[in-house]
This record gives sequence, structure tokens and C-alpha cells, in this order.
Amino acid sequence: RKEVEQDPGPFNVPEGATVAFNCTYSNSASQSFFWYRQDCRKEPKLLMSVYSSGNEDGRFTAQLNRASQYISLLIRDSKLSDSATYLCVVQRSSASKIIFGSGTRLSIRP
Amino acid sequence: NAGVTQTPKFRVLKTGQSMTLLCAQDMNHEYMYWYRQDPGMGLRLIHYSVGEGTTAKGEVPDGYNVSRLKKQNFLLGLESAAPSQTSVYFCASSYTASTEAFFGQGTRLTVV
Repeated sequence: RKEVEQDPGPFNVPEGATVAFNCTYSNSASQSFFWYRQDCRKEPKLLMSVYSSGNEDGRFTAQLNRASQYISLLIRDSKLSDSATYLCVVQRSSASKIIFGSGTRLSIRP
Repeated sequence: NAGVTQTPKFRVLKTGQSMTLLCAQDMNHEYMYWYRQDPGMGLRLIHYSVGEGTTAKGEVPDGYNVSRLKKQNFLLGLESAAPSQTSVYFCASSYTASTEAFFGQGTRLTVV
């Protein structure tokens, strides 16, 4: 089983919709959680860290569910510019390398 | 503020040729990584380094070698390129493995 798993999508939703996707992890000792965004033919960039209490940044909300071992990303009032691939990272505190999930592709249609 | 810089950005190689990809970072990061990204495969870790003079294998190290002689540079070498190494290569760096990773713009490599 992979350390980090994501639904590859694609998720195809209309502009203005709310969309959510999850990232499951296998190691219960994981401590650090992140969402990255990757636009087509570009490098990944950090979207937001995920804190134990959950966190929100504008239209984006990230949550952590330790009991079920997954993190989630919720995008409200989606924009055409939100079309991208979203990658999760789940790390143990003792980790020496960064392993990415395979990414979830999101496409927002007008 | 350059961040992470990769050279070259594009390259076409013939099978059996060798080349070196250079990654340079100016953020004084200890950790550096090389990933390859293929359609539908996500980012796969090739090799990584936790500090100057150290390197370690990632998920897909075969056919590649790396060196970290200076803290700011991480070199990825292909000794004898194969068509299976056609991919987009990303270099990244971070302060630790639990902090934000900063990526270079990628190198598009085609092996014919």
C-alpha cells in the first residue's frame, strides 16, 4: 500500500461549485501535512499547510482527520483559475525525504 | 531572489548519451531533492540529499547518479540515457523534510 493515496480525478465541476477531495495516509505517526498546487506544465507550489485544528485561507479549507487518517481540501465558490492538480504531502517528524501523493486533477468549467 | 534554479530547461538526447542537470538554491536549505514526473504518475523521488556531501536513493534511482559537493548545488547525472528516462525533472529544496519545499521550473528531457 502506498504511503499517501489520492483520487486522481479528474474532477470536472462548474464555476461557483464547491468541491472537496481527500488524501489518505497509511502511517499513523505522520505529523506534517500540506497541500500543493501544480498548474499545467509548471512546478508545484505550496497552497497551504494543514493544522490539527484545521485551517482556512479565503475560499480554501484544509482539515485533518487523524482517526481515519486522511486530510481534505475544500474549495468553495470555485473559479476557472482553480483548475490545476492538487498534490498532498504527509510527513513523519523524523522523515528525511518528501513524498508526494500522485495528485488530483481539478477542472473548472464555465 | 532566485530561489531554486534548474538548468537546462529543455534538452533532447540520443540514446546512450550522458548529461548532467544542475540545481542551484540560494535559500541555504539543507535538503534537496530530484523528482521525475510522468503523465499519470505524479512526482516520483529519484535521489535526495540531507546536507552537503550526503546523498540517498529515492523511489526510482536506477539509471541516475547525484552529487552534492556544495550545499547550494545538487547535480543529477544520466550516464547512458534511455528512452524510458524521457520525463520532466524537478529539483526541490527545503529547510527540513517537514517544511515547505520550493521547486525549480523543471527540465523537459526527451531521449530519442
